[in-house]
Amino acid sequence: DAGITQSPRHKVTETGTPVTLRCHQTENHRYMYWYRQDPGHGLRLIHYSYGVKDTDKGEVSDGYSVSRSKTEDFLLTLESATSSQTSVYFCAISESEGFTEAFFGQGTRLTVV
Amino acid sequence: GQSLEQPSEVTAVEGAIVQINCTYQTSGFYGLSWYQQHDGGAPTFLSYNGLDGLEETGRFSSFLSRSDSYGYLLLQELQMKDSASYFCAVMVDTGGFKTIFGAGTRLFVKA
Repeated sequence: DAGITQSPRHKVTETGTPVTLRCHQTENHRYMYWYRQDPGHGLRLIHYSYGVKDTDKGEVSDGYSVSRSKTEDFLLTLESATSSQTSVYFCAISESEGFTEAFFGQGTRLTVV
Repeated sequence: GQSLEQPSEVTAVEGAIVQINCTYQTSGFYGLSWYQQHDGGAPTFLSYNGLDGLEETGRFSSFLSRSDSYGYLLLQELQMKDSASYFCAVMVDTGGFKTIFGAGTRLFVKA
């Protein structure tokens, strides 16, 4: 299995609070992605990174920011959590841009109350 | 815009064969991938089709027809453990590569 871990695995937070999710990989893959998964929507791309300090927006980036200071770590921050951000968040890594094959972390279930 | 369509649910009997279809409307189509996801788990890669035709991996096969903007995942000798969600994903080149996922098909395998 690809070495990719997400933390925390579960989190409950209050509306308006900042939240940071962490993705750590040991595969040295250049590309890292954050997705959210909601019923009926599949996986939707929030942000992605193509190298250290190189990031770009996905299709549902509003309300989220990311940072990548090291190859192995990709952080997703909700600056002020809202109930609409209650979701399951997945980190993924790939060797190539876009990807034919990606490896996913186990997910973080975030509940905003 | 870019869109993918796949059935929301499919039910089949253990030991049978089931086909999950995926149709897409995209520009810059590059290839089609399939992922499996069990409840509470992570999506895992199953197969990729970059060219027309059938790709076989054990009990699973995947097919692509670029001219029809259509692909399918074929699962043979169904087992209870195949009950999961299956996502098609298209890779497109629109001046940069990106991957778009379908909404997923929930497969229920009955005894």
